[in-house]
Amino acid sequence: KAGVTQTPRYLIKTRGQQVTLSCSPISGHRSVSWYQQTPGQGLQFLFEYFSETQRNKGNFPGRFSGRQFSNSRSEMNVSTLELGDSALYLCASSLEPGTNEQYFGPGTRLTVT
Amino acid sequence: DAKTTQPPSMDCAEGRAANLPCNHSTISGNEYVYWYRQIHSQGPQYIIHGLKNNETNEMASLIITEDRKSSTLILPHATLRDTAVYYCIVAPTYNNNDMRFGAGTRLTVKP
Repeated sequence: KAGVTQTPRYLIKTRGQQVTLSCSPISGHRSVSWYQQTPGQGLQFLFEYFSETQRNKGNFPGRFSGRQFSNSRSEMNVSTLELGDSALYLCASSLEPGTNEQYFGPGTRLTVT
Repeated sequence: DAKTTQPPSMDCAEGRAANLPCNHSTISGNEYVYWYRQIHSQGPQYIIHGLKNNETNEMASLIITEDRKSSTLILPHATLRDTAVYYCIVAPTYNNNDMRFGAGTRLTVKP
């Protein structure tokens, strides 16, 4: 069974731009969560989606948003990029919401210049 | 803030058992103990989880003390590929907001 895939793997953007990252969960997994990983803050929860609805949200500004499609694929968007948004963005999928047995993708490395 | 305390780093000889400790003295009755690991440049990998009984799977064993205030992840025969950062997390099953990854333990398996 194929794992979680994320595209693109690497991205360089300029401050003020916006970016959209994509995640395809493991087949049959209906819950998708997003995390941000930085050297200073570690792994931080962004949000979780299930059945095209945001189920939980972490403590991030409104510039960070996401959505989920009917096939469980998910996208996250960051608008008005700041230098501090440079990070590894990880997507994780699970069979059902509310389970912390999650399967992570390889991540998208975003660099904001 | 993470609800767990782990040593920042540990070494282990290849082929020997690696025992990674974790303190979670404020764990609540409905919280599970989860272990993940992250190999350099990859996403975290789920290893094992448990509530109060010891658990074993093909990757590792999890030993939780009777008072549930600490646990130990055991990799029975460590290999060089087990070199990674290991995260111990306590969280209820129903709320991903509480999946707080701390700094973890950097395990280095040496030949």
